[in-house]
Amino acid sequence: GEDVEQSLFLSVREGDSSVINCTYTDSSSTYLYWYKQEPGAGLQLLTYIFSNMDMKQDQRLTVLLNKKDKHLSLRIADTQTGDSAIYFCAESIGGGTASKLTFGTGTRLQVTL
Amino acid sequence: NAGVTQTPKFRVLKTGQSMTLLCAQDMNHEYMYWYRQDPGMGLRLIHYSVGEGTTAKGEVPDGYNVSRLKKQNFLLGLESAAPSQTSVYFCASSYSGESEAFFGQGTRLTVV
Repeated sequence: GEDVEQSLFLSVREGDSSVINCTYTDSSSTYLYWYKQEPGAGLQLLTYIFSNMDMKQDQRLTVLLNKKDKHLSLRIADTQTGDSAIYFCAESIGGGTASKLTFGTGTRLQVTL
Repeated sequence: NAGVTQTPKFRVLKTGQSMTLLCAQDMNHEYMYWYRQDPGMGLRLIHYSVGEGTTAKGEVPDGYNVSRLKKQNFLLGLESAAPSQTSVYFCASSYSGESEAFFGQGTRLTVV
């Protein structure tokens, strides 16, 4: 299967940490991604992790991958109002010319003052 | 560097009309994709292409056709629009199937 699931909504206070979760079903995924979509815009890549890694940190972003449970998370430290957006996880499945990106449903992050 | 450009940005169609959405990329990417975005359903892949002259079906291909006659362009056609095709359409391109995808700004299509 190619289902990628996320919770639809998350609200956090400015300065707190946000954790956005994602589960996927295809164990052959080689790369897993987090994209950010701001209102009225397309998606932009935030970060990604290779499937043989457990963790990747990039400034305020920490990605955790539990391959056994097929669970991916994105932690945003010191969340700011500018982080308000929809966050999509995505997996690259297949391989070579058959590979394609499959996206989750997206999690809307609301940052309150 | 324009990246990925979609035209038009907005369109209203009557049921049964046809139209073509154009996606152009200037990054010499091999892969191009068309997605639709609907509330609560994320992005669903309609069709994609792994190179000039090739196309493949995605998750929701029915009612759409595509063509990739030139490497830089990927066209999405609706032959007979239906209200169920009301959506925001995104085009994306990438160097390979496992590299970062770059997205256009989207086309908001309403079928009445």
